[in-house]
Amino acid sequence: QKEVEQDPGPLSVPEGAIVSLNCTYSNSAFQYFMWYRQYSRKGPELLMYTYSSGNKEDGRFTAQVDKSSKYISLFIRDSQPSDSATYLCAMSGYSGAGSYQLTFGKGTKLSVIP
Amino acid sequence: GAGVSQSPSNKVTEKGKDVELRCDPISGHTALYWYRQSLGQGLEFLIYFQGNSAPDKSGLPSDRFSAERTGGSVSTLTIQRTQQEDSAVYLCASSPGIRESQPQHFGDGTRLSIL
Repeated sequence: QKEVEQDPGPLSVPEGAIVSLNCTYSNSAFQYFMWYRQYSRKGPELLMYTYSSGNKEDGRFTAQVDKSSKYISLFIRDSQPSDSATYLCAMSGYSGAGSYQLTFGKGTKLSVIP
Repeated sequence: GAGVSQSPSNKVTEKGKDVELRCDPISGHTALYWYRQSLGQGLEFLIYFQGNSAPDKSGLPSDRFSAERTGGSVSTLTIQRTQQEDSAVYLCASSPGIRESQPQHFGDGTRLSIL
């Protein structure tokens, strides 16, 4: 079982739809959870950053963490064509060698159709 | 600049050649990370630096890969005797420090193609 599982999609939705992106994980030591957005031929851009369980909202984006279920979600309200990108979940865990490494999901490719 | 800068943005080379990839982190960021992103494989951790030292080299796939950082700033990732399986996007990230609460910020990567 991989440490982080993410449905690769692709996911296609009409403009204005609510989008739900999800990841599951197996390492209970993960404490910090991130969502990155990656446009084609660009580097990952930090979108949301949360600590432990709960919800965090930023404009049209809501990140949700459920540590008891080892499940995290990103919701996008009123989706726009500019939201079309690959979304990567990432989690921070101690590497045992003095640093905290990020473990990434493989990414979900989202297309928002005008 | 304000973000992480990587060069070159694209590199095409023949199998067996050596390549050097450069990363210039965000000013003031002491931690620097290298990742590899292959099609369908997600991001793979390679190595990280705290200042000029690299305490964690566990992710380097073989001894053909090496990295250094000088002056606590610019880092170079070197791949010797390149192989076709080295073709990937090499991403660099930096953060203010190595504490878990400090998120990493990425550059746009170097697209490496080995012919």
